[in-house]
Amino acid sequence: GAVVSQHPSWVICKSGTSVKIECRSLDFQATTMFWYRQFPKQSLMLMATSNEGSKATYEQGVEKDKFLINHASLTLSTLTVTSAHPEDSSFYICSATSGDNEQFFGPGTRLTVL
Amino acid sequence: GNSVTQMEGPVTLSEEAFLTINCTYTATGYPSLFWYVQYPGEGLQLLLKATKADDKGSNKGFEATYRKETTSFHLEKGSVQVSDSAVYFCALESAAGKSTFGDGTTLTVKP
Repeated sequence: GAVVSQHPSWVICKSGTSVKIECRSLDFQATTMFWYRQFPKQSLMLMATSNEGSKATYEQGVEKDKFLINHASLTLSTLTVTSAHPEDSSFYICSATSGDNEQFFGPGTRLTVL
Repeated sequence: GNSVTQMEGPVTLSEEAFLTINCTYTATGYPSLFWYVQYPGEGLQLLLKATKADDKGSNKGFEATYRKETTSFHLEKGSVQVSDSAVYFCALESAAGKSTFGDGTTLTVKP
């Protein structure tokens, strides 16, 4: 099956710093990528939908200036958590859709903000 | 808005036992329904799906039938194995392509 990678797999940062998370589709071109947030023992919450070359569409309640998404190519999307605070600590997961709209998920990135 | 409710866990079974994880949904229109599995330390993987009413999705011995009349998509397996231990997520995808997930059910199968 198609493979989606995320980098880094985990990151620890100080409060106030910015963190960038990369999501790559390794063996297919992804027309759309999605960013999710997963709290411990809870479900995935869709944060935003990202299409290559256009601005991301954010879900209600998600601050677009806080969570910057860039989708510069058909194989790469980045999520930047700006001025991170402890409440931003979470597990961030991306997914990418192939031509038949099946979603392939990345392994996730655990962010801990001290 | 759309929502997915699945059986709370954790669920603990002995090997070869029968598994049912209930999932019901609320949605406008005709969503596609999915079961995803997340093994320890790994990302979500598609387990099975159904795109219209009365469709049955199946994979690796797991089955689920899209029941529009009861808005359900219960996951079943006749004989679980230790290797089936994982977290299972029920999800729907709207016609607009947005996914809504249930809270996940942790399954532990003991030898």
